[in-house]
Amino acid sequence: EPEVTQTPSHQVTQMGQEVILRCVPISNHLYFYWYRQILGQKVEFLVSFYNNEISEKSEIFDDQFSVERPDGSNFTLKIRSTKLEDSAMYFCASRTGFGDTGELFFGEGSRLTVL
Amino acid sequence: AQSVAQPEDQVNVAEGNPLTVKCTYSVSGNPYLFWYVQYPNRGLQFLLKYITGDNLVKGSYGFEAEFNKSQTSFHLKKPSALVSDSALYFCAVRDRPGANNLFFGTGTRLTVIP
Repeated sequence: EPEVTQTPSHQVTQMGQEVILRCVPISNHLYFYWYRQILGQKVEFLVSFYNNEISEKSEIFDDQFSVERPDGSNFTLKIRSTKLEDSAMYFCASRTGFGDTGELFFGEGSRLTVL
Repeated sequence: AQSVAQPEDQVNVAEGNPLTVKCTYSVSGNPYLFWYVQYPNRGLQFLLKYITGDNLVKGSYGFEAEFNKSQTSFHLKKPSALVSDSALYFCAVRDRPGANNLFFGTGTRLTVIP
């Protein structure tokens, strides 16, 4: 069964460093997402991406964050200068894009620890 | 504003007993509702969704959910709980018509006691 894959599974970084989290969405999906989950808290929407541009973003997704689809398969989240409060599990998701009733398929997550 | 509420942080149930995980929603248009499950150190797995039609929706692993428009609820149910059902359960809603992302509830931790 096709799945969303994410790398790395865990990254530890120093405050102020740049981090890139990578995702390979399901191949025939058209919408891509990043969500985050701070330990023990709710799953929060960050950004959605369609047709090579951001379609929606939340207030969390400030200028420190960016997304990119550099080739036909990868979808990346970059945090330019990490802060302690960026420590969280980051989930990539994708969906087919046919109508707005489809479910999202999530990856296993990338745990980011900022020291 | 669109929202989804899970009033219980924790639900404990004995193995073999029926389980219910509660969810209520608030949306401006047609509610598109979803349940996801998260096992420890794993991503979210889709269980089931309500889009339209029959109010009782059946999903993965024997779970089902009942859409109740008058009570604006979408409770997750299973007739007989298994220890392996112990996990974190999230209710989610398409946050407004035409939106393409999901808005998640705060999650309910289900513990099935052997």
